Amino acid sequence: KQEVTQIPAALSVPEGENLVLNCSFTDSAIYNLQWFRQDPGKGLTSLLLIQSSQREQTSGRLNASLDKSSGRSTLYIAASQPGDSATYLCASDSWGKLQFGAGTQVVVTP
Amino acid sequence: DTEVTQTPKHLVMGMTNKKSLKCEQHMGHRAMYWYKQKAKKPPELMFVYSYEKLSINESVPSRFSPECPNSSLLNLHLHALQPEDSALYLCASSQEGQANQPQHFGDGTRLSIL
Repeated sequence: KQEVTQIPAALSVPEGENLVLNCSFTDSAIYNLQWFRQDPGKGLTSLLLIQSSQREQTSGRLNASLDKSSGRSTLYIAASQPGDSATYLCASDSWGKLQFGAGTQVVVTP
Repeated sequence: DTEVTQTPKHLVMGMTNKKSLKCEQHMGHRAMYWYKQKAKKPPELMFVYSYEKLSINESVPSRFSPECPNSSLLNLHLHALQPEDSALYLCASSQEGQANQPQHFGDGTRLSIL
């Protein structure tokens, strides 16, 4: 069974610093790896999707990399802002089923 | 604003009540999902509908009964729930038949069982 792990569980940085969030998965037979953001009491917002054949995806200040052979993905958020404060979840997609990590709770202080 | 709409936003019910959660999307997506999320935990898949047919049931107890009346609507009927069923219930949708399409989530229904 796929296991997805996110480290660290929580992260606090001052505004302007770059954020590095890590995700690891045990089964490399995935369609893709997705990153989501969840604000308190809200649903999930899709940030980036990296197909299994890709090495990275970028959207604005966000960049996500994927290394299937080592079972790792990293989400980089450049020049963090207080509005980036949220929980970030990664999920592996196998046969249309998402398996989520427990998330990294991020606080960006002004 | 989310493109997947869930109602109600909050629901409090007793263990003997019958209620339904509703989910609606107008993005033309043909795959729809129900997830359960406990506090401080990641979402867990419950059901998947593909072209209005149930394709995945993750061994969910029968007190949860999903229904997909048409391609835009997804319901979750609740009956005789237990206190441990209190959670945030999330609906999602995605394009079916196309690999590597992201799932779009609603804001969820927060369910409390008394």
